[in-house]
Amino acid sequence: QVQLQESGPGRVKPSQTLSLTCTVSGGSISSGDYYWSWIRQHPGKGLEWIGYISSSGSTYYNPSLKSRLTISIDTSKNQFSLNLNSVTAADTAVYYCARDLHNDYLDPWGQGTLVSVSS
Amino acid sequence: QSVLSQPPSASGAPGQRVTISCSGSSSIGTNYVSWYQKLPGAAPKLLIYKNDQRPSGVPDRFSGSKSGTSASLAISGLRSEDEADYYCAAWDDSLGRQFGGGTKLTVL
Repeated sequence: QVQLQESGPGRVKPSQTLSLTCTVSGGSISSGDYYWSWIRQHPGKGLEWIGYISSSGSTYYNPSLKSRLTISIDTSKNQFSLNLNSVTAADTAVYYCARDLHNDYLDPWGQGTLVSVSS
Repeated sequence: QSVLSQPPSASGAPGQRVTISCSGSSSIGTNYVSWYQKLPGAAPKLLIYKNDQRPSGVPDRFSGSKSGTSASLAISGLRSEDEADYYCAAWDDSLGRQFGGGTKLTVL
């Protein structure tokens, strides 16, 4: 079965770039009609969808983050990545990656990784 | 601010049935709704997809429905382990995937 695992720094300094990678195992990132999403949860708050990428590289971003966001995919490594620049404390959150069946569901999810933005 | 609205809290005694609503505009009316259970420290778990379908392994105590621009998640035979946060989600053609604000379910 497909599993996802996030990786990346647990702390980023303000104004710098937050970079995370999601590694997909148990299946090919290129198979099926799936997209690959990033979602975050601020401390004590609800879920916020960040954006997704298809295996062909097509992207769709949350309009509120679009100006700072890049999502990329490396099919040879079965990975996709998130880059969020000019971060502030407001970007402190648990970041999740998930397989996305567009206009339907997100499943499975990675376990999540906490990223703190502080100096 | 999400276009999907959920009550912030819900509660019920063990064995009872509770319903959590999710209301929105065209995003629910024209697209599928999914529901997720979020336990503290754990990743969200898919409970319902395509408005009313259960993935394998999800107990039939959980059911989903949709009517017009509203959707609901019902949990029957409430158990202590159902105490969690529940989120609805749907695709919005302008904003992308939207989550409801979440509902904290307390089992009394």
